[in-house]
Amino acid sequence: QSALTQPASVSGSPGQSITISCTGTSSDVGGYDFVSWYQQHPGKAPKLLIYDVTKRPSGLSNRFSGSKSGNTASLTISGLQAEDEADYYCSSYTSTSVLFGGGTKLTVL
Amino acid sequence: EVQLVESGGGLVQPGGSLRLSCAASGFTFSSYSMNWVRQAPGKGLEWVSYISGSSNVIYDADSVKGRFTISRDNAKNSLYLQMSSLSADDTAVYFCARVGRDMTDAYDIWGQGTMVTVSS
Repeated sequence: QSALTQPASVSGSPGQSITISCTGTSSDVGGYDFVSWYQQHPGKAPKLLIYDVTKRPSGLSNRFSGSKSGNTASLTISGLQAEDEADYYCSSYTSTSVLFGGGTKLTVL
Repeated sequence: EVQLVESGGGLVQPGGSLRLSCAASGFTFSSYSMNWVRQAPGKGLEWVSYISGSSNVIYDADSVKGRFTISRDNAKNSLYLQMSSLSADDTAVYFCARVGRDMTDAYDIWGQGTMVTVSS
């Protein structure tokens, strides 16, 4: 199975909103409501941002939100801050495995 | 504090073997399923293996099937990954990660990772 498709990079200015897409197939993203999003700063472990498409872990800022339409899931970050500059990965359950996206580098201008 | 700490990484020759460990603390280890996820240098994340809390359900990625074996010892609060027939493609940081319910769940706790380098 191929990795989920994410844009290689996105950018935005402080205070703006950005959206990162994650495209799969009906066998993964489109077939289950088990999409997650992770943030990873250089040299660090990933951090869970969103699970089950739209849910946020307790204590996580509501600036992060998730959604899904068909075979494409999306992560929206509102009110961009300098510390949001990082790599972002989506993942999806597929019945016998878990697929990750290739990752998106977010640059805060 | 809920924590996962990996160990056992290092330099190994092609065709060789290595055993990774992940020590869990701060939570009831046996109640959680666990995973190994790897990241090649400069690349994205790749799921490797999953094991349920009681070890009765195991899944492996096609890329490691038949070469890697995931296991756990709940009495020792530890997760393991036995890797054999290693190749350069297996060079990566290996993370252990916890999930709450089953393989559908997200990884809520990650270790800091341990580096495995396969090279002659």
